[in-house]
Amino acid sequence: DAKTTQPDSMESTEGETVHLPCSHATISGNEYIYWYRQVPLQGPEYVTHGLQQNTTNSMAFLAIASDRKSSTLILPHVSLRDAAVYHCILRVQGTGSKLSFGKGAKLTVSP
Amino acid sequence: ETAVFQTPNYHVTQVGNEVSFNCKQTLGHDTMYWYKQDSKKLLKIMFSYNNKQLIVNETVPRRFSPQSSDKAHLNLRIKSVEPEDSAVYLCASSLRQGAEQFFGPGTRLTVL
Repeated sequence: DAKTTQPDSMESTEGETVHLPCSHATISGNEYIYWYRQVPLQGPEYVTHGLQQNTTNSMAFLAIASDRKSSTLILPHVSLRDAAVYHCILRVQGTGSKLSFGKGAKLTVSP
Repeated sequence: ETAVFQTPNYHVTQVGNEVSFNCKQTLGHDTMYWYKQDSKKLLKIMFSYNNKQLIVNETVPRRFSPQSSDKAHLNLRIKSVEPEDSAVYLCASSLRQGAEQFFGPGTRLTVL
């Protein structure tokens, strides 16, 4: 899987909309952009994924740049439960389906 | 409740002992995984099974062996633990290969 770059941490306040950036300048055409998040003492939780088009689900909106070299996970109206480490990773679907996480970006949410 | 369940939550043991970790998923998924997450929170795949068949076996020491009785269960045995085996072991499942993965809470192993 190609490398991604995220900020080490971001801070927010409850109710705000948070934009989590991810750079993947060397992404291949068949690589999907996946986002997972993890809180202490729990396993990672799937958030969303996309290939080229922006995607949205109940948890987040994923905005993918037209050249696919960067993406932004947008969390609307964050709550304290959204505080977690967010991992942006690239995967080629079907190739053993393995995931590999780096440090991720730690999102802090203040009341 | 449909989810991925792991036991035990924690395990402390001494070098050279054998340990076994259990994982069960009630999501009806075909594919299951074992990952190792170290103290820096880096996640690495160890094994992947699809319908009880081993499909991914990353380079892990031979003392690690997965065991699958059916597609809902994937256990992990470590024959003779070493200090570097101290980590969180995460089990996950997905509907099929390549689909999003759902994780269990992890088993925290400490080797003294």
